[in-house]
Formats: sequence, C-alpha cells, structure tokens
Amino acid sequence: DIQMTQSPSSLSASVGDRVTITCRASQSISSYLNWYQQKPGKAPKLLIYAASSLQSGVPSRFSGSGSGTDFTLTISSLQPEDFATYYCQQSYSTLLFTFGPGTKVDIK
Amino acid sequence: EVQLLESGGGLVQPGGSLRLSCAASGFTFSSYAMSWVRQAPGKGLEWVSAISGSGGSTYYADSVKGRFTISRDNSKNTLYLQMNSLRAEDTAVYYCAKVGLYCSSTSCYYYFDYWGQGTLVTVSS
Repeated sequence: DIQMTQSPSSLSASVGDRVTITCRASQSISSYLNWYQQKPGKAPKLLIYAASSLQSGVPSRFSGSGSGTDFTLTISSLQPEDFATYYCQQSYSTLLFTFGPGTKVDIK
Repeated sequence: EVQLLESGGGLVQPGGSLRLSCAASGFTFSSYAMSWVRQAPGKGLEWVSAISGSGGSTYYADSVKGRFTISRDNSKNTLYLQMNSLRAEDTAVYYCAKVGLYCSSTSCYYYFDYWGQGTLVTVSS
C-alpha cells in the first residue's frame, strides 16, 4: 500500500505570507497527486489535481508542483480565507486512494 | 449544479448495520465513478470505498474490506454504502464524492471534484 506523509503537521502564518506544504509518497506515484482544502465543519474542496493542475474556480495564488515521491502545495500570498487544513491524496492505482494526514494552517 | 446529498447516518450499536445513501443530481450519474470518504471526530480524511460508473468494479480500504459494500442504482442516481459488523472505530462523518477524471495525452487522473455535506455515523453502546 502507498503511504502518504505531510510536513509540517501544522504551521502558523500571517496574511500575505508565502506558505509551502510538502507531501511525500512511500513509492513513486508519478503525478497522481491531488490537494484539498478543508475548513472546520465543511466538506473538503479540491484545489489541485494531477500534481499541478488548478481546479476551475480556485484562486491562482494556489499552485502545486512535484512528481515521483515529493510534492509541494504553495500559497503565494496567504489570505484570511486560506486558514484551513490541507490534505494531499494519491490516486496512482485506479480508484484506490490514500490521503495524507493533513497540514493545519492557522493565524500567527 | 452538481449536488450530492447523503442520508442514513445515526447511532448504532457495535456489531450492528447501517446503510448510507447519497442522492446525486446535476450530472450524468452513470458516467462517473463515485466514492465514500470518512472523517473520525477531530481526525483526518480516510478513503473508504469507490465504485465504477457502471457499478461493475468496486474498491475498498483494508480497514473496511469484508464488512462494507458499496453499490449504486444508476436508475435512481443514488450511491449506497452498506456497513455491517460496525465497530467503535467506524464512528465518523461519511462523505460521498464524485470522482472526476482528467486525461492527458499519456495518462488519466482521478480526483474528487464534488463532495456531499456528510452524514454522521456513531457506533456506541
């Protein structure tokens, strides 16, 4: 089974900061990596699919990069509405998925 | 507008059963795979199960294999999750999700592009 890790598990940042979250897979998953944002009490929201493709309607300050085992989600200028928990997800095998443990971004 | 509406959650005793439903609208239901994802209180997301658009192929996380059964009725635009032999650790909010698909020239990629609001399952005596 493919295991996913994320770092850091939490971070504190200020509005306007550049934020980077890392996700690592236990084996190569090419670009089969998605990113989601979840706010308390709400369903997750898709941000990035196929490692670097921005989902329609998602602000361009969000970007994804990486391939193989190491991936990054970057928020170029953190906005108040971006304080949330972020999850990576691998989709390497057809319709078999694994989520990372999540990274909580809160206000410094 | 895509809408996914889960129902069927509630309180059940350990060892009991429950069936969740997810009513879908706003897209051609039979053309898309669907999935269930759960989230225990205060914890992260855990993928549970997925089913192909036709219903002919099903997939499960090891934690639920042999106890949960995913199915769909394309005539009713409804996804189901039959949960048997429930345990305390199955307590969670259960989300249904539409599986989106993007194909480049070389590969196809799956992701969850729409989610329901979730239904709470509590397993406790």
